[in-house]
Amino acid sequence: DAGVIQSPRHEVTEMGQEVTLRCKPISGHDYLFWYRQTMMRGLELLIYFNNNVPIDDSGMPEDRFSAKMPNASFSTLKIQPSEPRDSAVYFCASRSTAPAGGPGDTQYFGPGTRLTVL
Amino acid sequence: GQNIDQPTEMTATEGAIVQINCTYQTSGFNGLFWYQQHAGEAPTFLSYNVLDGLEEKGRFSSFLSRSKGYSYLLLKELQMKDSASYLCAVLTDSWGKFQFGAGTQVVVTP
Repeated sequence: DAGVIQSPRHEVTEMGQEVTLRCKPISGHDYLFWYRQTMMRGLELLIYFNNNVPIDDSGMPEDRFSAKMPNASFSTLKIQPSEPRDSAVYFCASRSTAPAGGPGDTQYFGPGTRLTVL
Repeated sequence: GQNIDQPTEMTATEGAIVQINCTYQTSGFNGLFWYQQHAGEAPTFLSYNVLDGLEEKGRFSSFLSRSKGYSYLLLKELQMKDSASYLCAVLTDSWGKFQFGAGTQVVVTP
């Protein structure tokens, strides 16, 4: 399996621009997570989906952030408009709890997208 | 509030043993996970505890005491490649709400 795929790997943009980050989870995984990691705040869960449905988006910082999962193999995280404080590494992760799995099944992280907003 | 606390940095010598402690206070608990993260890379899974006691996986062991809200990760026979950040994470609901600690940077010296 190719693992979780994220694109782009690096993104540099100017304040006010729209940014779209993309993720392809591991095939067959029913959970998808979006995280943000900074030196100051560590690794923060932004939102997670189960079977393409958003379950908890309480970690999404502001209305400027939105996430979608139109099908089981694709998700996007969009920031509009972007601000310098959004600069961080954004990770997507996926996890399976079926058919014989349970809470002990770990999540697998993608390589991350390093976002820099100037 | 919810807190997951772990030391910021630890230094140890190659071949030695290091124990990374993690204490947690969360609204829910469905398991405790340890991840390793090398600089510039994604976190990778190391271990999982949901019941009290010790889980051993090769050079790495993890311990959990739910009544004390406490876990540790034990790294034995340290190697240079073990220099990394180690993240403690609690699964706070039945599905997927993970909360991570800030990470402990382990530096292995020759």
